[in-house]
Amino acid sequence: NAGVTQTPKFQVLKTGQSMTLQCAQDMNHEYMSWYRQDPGMGLRLIHYSVGAGITDQGEVPNGYNVSRSTTEDFPLRLLSAAPSQTSVYFCASSYGGSEKLFFGSGTQLSVL
Amino acid sequence: QQQVKQSPQSLIVQKGGISIINCAYENTAFDYFPWYQQFPGKGPALLIAIRPDVSEKKEGRFTISFNKSAKQFSLHIMDSQPGDSATYFCAARDSSYKLIFGSGTRLLVRP
Repeated sequence: NAGVTQTPKFQVLKTGQSMTLQCAQDMNHEYMSWYRQDPGMGLRLIHYSVGAGITDQGEVPNGYNVSRSTTEDFPLRLLSAAPSQTSVYFCASSYGGSEKLFFGSGTQLSVL
Repeated sequence: QQQVKQSPQSLIVQKGGISIINCAYENTAFDYFPWYQQFPGKGPALLIAIRPDVSEKKEGRFTISFNKSAKQFSLHIMDSQPGDSATYFCAARDSSYKLIFGSGTRLLVRP
């Protein structure tokens, strides 16, 4: 049972490049979400999904897109990377209602 | 705006002491209040949680105290151990299932 798997673990981008952070869970969780963690800012919700085909915005959605075509996968797309998007990104999932979130191990992203 | 305010930012406690971390919120629609623990290089993990109809919840050395009228809740770690050294986040869930986190407290327990 792998839990929540995030890839890649580390990524360096140049300003303006696009990329997709992958997130997959094998626990059949309906709820999935993306957070970014910055020093002194805690964890801020980017986007979340309560089931396949349903997504919604969190606190800081600008510059990011998501889709949820399957229960297992919830990729996060950076459309045109900016230095302000340098952060550690965490994907999380839960059975429902965002209770007991299971987090992945994170992706450290640097935008130069 | 910061919907969940957490303090202190950092905390140093001697082994065996009590660690106390506080959180405050404004949104009365929040219906679930968890605490997460994060070790360096790892994702956060659920530690303990409480609902607003309960004033206190205890699990081992960890206790949440909840004051609904003051819109405050706190985490108490009794008999703190060096292995408790981590970053702690409080959080609150709104009616659309968004889980909003506080800014985190870095706890160091000295041997």
